[in-house]
Amino acid sequence: RKEVEQDPGPFNVPEGATVAFNCTYSNSASQSFFWYRQDCRKEPKLLMSVYSSGNEDGRFTAQLNRASQYISLLIRDSKLSDSATYLCVVPRWDSSASKIIFGSGTRLSIRP
Amino acid sequence: GAVVSQHPSWVICKSGTSVKIECRSLDFQATTMFWYRQFPKQSLMLMATSNEGSKATYEQGVEKDKFLINHASLTLSTLTVTSAHPEDSSFYICSARDIAGGDNSPLHFGNGTRLTVT
Repeated sequence: RKEVEQDPGPFNVPEGATVAFNCTYSNSASQSFFWYRQDCRKEPKLLMSVYSSGNEDGRFTAQLNRASQYISLLIRDSKLSDSATYLCVVPRWDSSASKIIFGSGTRLSIRP
Repeated sequence: GAVVSQHPSWVICKSGTSVKIECRSLDFQATTMFWYRQFPKQSLMLMATSNEGSKATYEQGVEKDKFLINHASLTLSTLTVTSAHPEDSSFYICSARDIAGGDNSPLHFGNGTRLTVT
């Protein structure tokens, strides 16, 4: 099982729709989680941090389910500018190594 | 917000030459920096973890003698691609975490370096 797995996508939804992605992780000791968005040929940009059960920022809501070891990202009233690849990030800060593991990303395309 | 500066943004080099990429944290200190590589339409793959004052930790399959990492200070890490070949052409991105932010602080990314080896 991969350390971090995401919905494969691509998601193609109309403007104004609500869309949700999931990300599962294997390390039960993980404490913090992040969603990044990456535009084509650009570096990832932090979208949301998820520390406890969830976090909401405007149209974006991230939820964490520790029992099932997944985090989700919900985008409401989607805009054309939301088209990007969304990356789930799970840091692993253990004694042997500090690593930041990325999911493979979910591509989202918003159509007019 | 925290800024990570990566230089150069793009470079074209001939096969067999070496290329150095710099990653600087501009307004915070980072004991650990991460180097990623991303091929077209693929996700970021962690290459190595750069540790200030000690040896880098490489991921499985990444040649440490080919990808030399030096983390000489709390604000600078460099990645040198030695004897570059066309298959090394990729998008290289560094990232860093503010040591003052604790274990739950997010990563800050450089703007990436697009390497093309001819």
